[in-house]
Amino acid sequence: GDSVTQMEGPVTLSEEAFLTINCTYTATGYPSLFWYVQYPGEGLQLLLKATKADDKGSNKGFEATYRKETTSFHLEKGSVQVSDSAVYFCALSDNAGGTSYGKLTFGQGTILTVHP
Amino acid sequence: EAQVTQNPRYLITVTGKKLTVTCSQNMNHEYMSWYRQDPGLGLRQIYYSMNVEVTDKGDVPEGYKVSRKEKRNFPLILESPSPNQTSLYFCASSLRRGGYEQYFGPGTRLTVT
Repeated sequence: GDSVTQMEGPVTLSEEAFLTINCTYTATGYPSLFWYVQYPGEGLQLLLKATKADDKGSNKGFEATYRKETTSFHLEKGSVQVSDSAVYFCALSDNAGGTSYGKLTFGQGTILTVHP
Repeated sequence: EAQVTQNPRYLITVTGKKLTVTCSQNMNHEYMSWYRQDPGLGLRQIYYSMNVEVTDKGDVPEGYKVSRKEKRNFPLILESPSPNQTSLYFCASSLRRGGYEQYFGPGTRLTVT
């Protein structure tokens, strides 16, 4: 079945540091890939997405590129802020049809803490 | 404002006492889901609905029921809660099934003692 693996956390950085959170996936066909962010006490919200190979999703300074050859969708940001402290989830949506079509499969989440 | 609402936000109950968590969306979305979030496991889908009167099991449906009598509402029912259902629950909706953005509610933290 489909699966998503994220790098182990938590991740602690100083403000303005470079961020990478690794994400790899296993899926049949060509899934859509997402990064969701969960701020303390809130629900998840979409950060960015990519729907086909070599697509780059970007939002709020975050970027991730859909790499089919390495089955990866790593999240990056050049200069993090304290306000970026949150839990980040990598997810895929199976587009291959069948009973799992459209279901979001999530990684385990990575806690990011940014210090001033 | 486009949103998914859930109630209650926090609930403490005892084993075996039936409860319902409500979920409502105002975006005319066809697809709705329930997820539970547990530490180290990410979010796992409990049930989903592709439209009114069409529901199906997700990855962890045991001990839960759902209904979809109206397009906007998708309640989660625990007929006889047990302590292993203590978790953080999220309702989500999207325009249709497939690679569409899912909009999440604020979550319901349930504790079963």
